[in-house]
Amino acid sequence: QLQLQESGPGLVKPSETLSLTCTVSGDSISSSSYYWGWIRQPPGKGLEWIGSIYYDGSTYYNPSLKSRVTISVEKSKNQCSLKQTSVTAADAAVYYCARSSGHYIPNFDSWGQGTLVTVSS
Amino acid sequence: QSALTQPASVSGSPGQSITISCTGTSSDIGTYNLVSWYQQHPGKAPKLMIYEVYKRPSGVSNRFSGSKSGNTASLTISGLQAEDEAEYYCCSYGGTTTPHVIFGGGTKVTVL
Repeated sequence: QLQLQESGPGLVKPSETLSLTCTVSGDSISSSSYYWGWIRQPPGKGLEWIGSIYYDGSTYYNPSLKSRVTISVEKSKNQCSLKQTSVTAADAAVYYCARSSGHYIPNFDSWGQGTLVTVSS
Repeated sequence: QSALTQPASVSGSPGQSITISCTGTSSDIGTYNLVSWYQQHPGKAPKLMIYEVYKRPSGVSNRFSGSKSGNTASLTISGLQAEDEAEYYCCSYGGTTTPHVIFGGGTKVTVL
């Protein structure tokens, strides 16, 4: 059974870098059939796609976040990671990782439970 | 890219049918059959209910159906049940100059 688990610091200071990891179990992140994405949700607000990655390292980003975001994959650990620089209060959100069948295909069929990131000094 | 437009709330009585609309543009919903719908209960991760406009993932009740006309996609819930009370989000591929994935603002479904 596929499981995704996000992990990382729950508190980040303004202007610093947010770093999160998604650990995949029950399937290989190197599967040629799937892409692995990050989606966030500010408290009480809607969902926003951050970006997605394929096991070969190909990345696809939300144009509005592209300048601050890097998504990477660590196949040996069956993990993908998100780094977001120069965070502000607007970046406070629950961050989810999810699996989809294509880089811009919005069929996110499995999700992690999400991890809350607070931005505060 | 602006978010897809959804009504803030929709309500219905048990057993009734309701429809949630999701309006985009010719750059996303109007051109591509890549619309999905997610159900989210409070404190939980979203759950895929419909993909590629009308397809249902295994395990999703056939009371949920999707459709599209022009720049607007719709999710219909028939035989409304108490457990259907949740937030619903539409999502679409957006193309043209800069490919992206875009979500709607969400619709709160209340079962009266």
